[in-house]
Amino acid sequence: SAVISQKPSRDICQRGTSLTIQCQVDSQVTMMFWYRQQPGQSLTLIATANQGSEATYESGFVIDKFPISRPNLTFSTLTVSNMSPEDSSIYLCSVIQDSMNTEAFFGQGTRLTVV
Amino acid sequence: KNEVEQSPQNLTAQEGEFITINCSYSVGISALHWLQQHPGGGIVSLFMLSSGKKKHGRLIATINIQEKHSSLHITASHPRDSAVYICAVEMGWRPRINEKLTFGTGTRLTIIP
Repeated sequence: SAVISQKPSRDICQRGTSLTIQCQVDSQVTMMFWYRQQPGQSLTLIATANQGSEATYESGFVIDKFPISRPNLTFSTLTVSNMSPEDSSIYLCSVIQDSMNTEAFFGQGTRLTVV
Repeated sequence: KNEVEQSPQNLTAQEGEFITINCSYSVGISALHWLQQHPGGGIVSLFMLSSGKKKHGRLIATINIQEKHSSLHITASHPRDSAVYICAVEMGWRPRINEKLTFGTGTRLTIIP
């Protein structure tokens, strides 16, 4: 199994500011995924973060708004930039370990409120 | 139409009842996950399936690849089972290559004492 430490767990931020969310995994993984869950909705993939290369963003998400770092195989950050109230969501990181038959593991989530 | 559909969206049952949550998908997949999300937002993996059936305690998950359908069953339900249950798939074909997940909309389960 993998244990993911995600922080902060929650934050209330002013519009126009930025927040960086961190995820630390207790084992090395090739890919880390960043998801957003808007209120009352299911999860949507923001981007896939690979170590040593730029993140791959899904349609509707851009690097300027959600810059991602992946400096090594156990750590990643997601920044939510120039925030607006529409960015209020739960943000989660996730990994699937580099093996054929493993489950997905998730961080505890960051509940972001933009005021 | 969503690629992953769950039913029901909401389910309220009495403690002790047998619970079934269904998931249908419209694409080829290499794996299907059942996840549990509690009110705080944290998500826990319950099962990862690529075929057949798995059982953990009171939870049973089945998948029928030909019919593109999976079910999650809870036996002897308890109020602590109250949560949102989410079906998610890894699209593509085996062998599995750490694919991103595509999620259903979730089923909100409430078990009344």
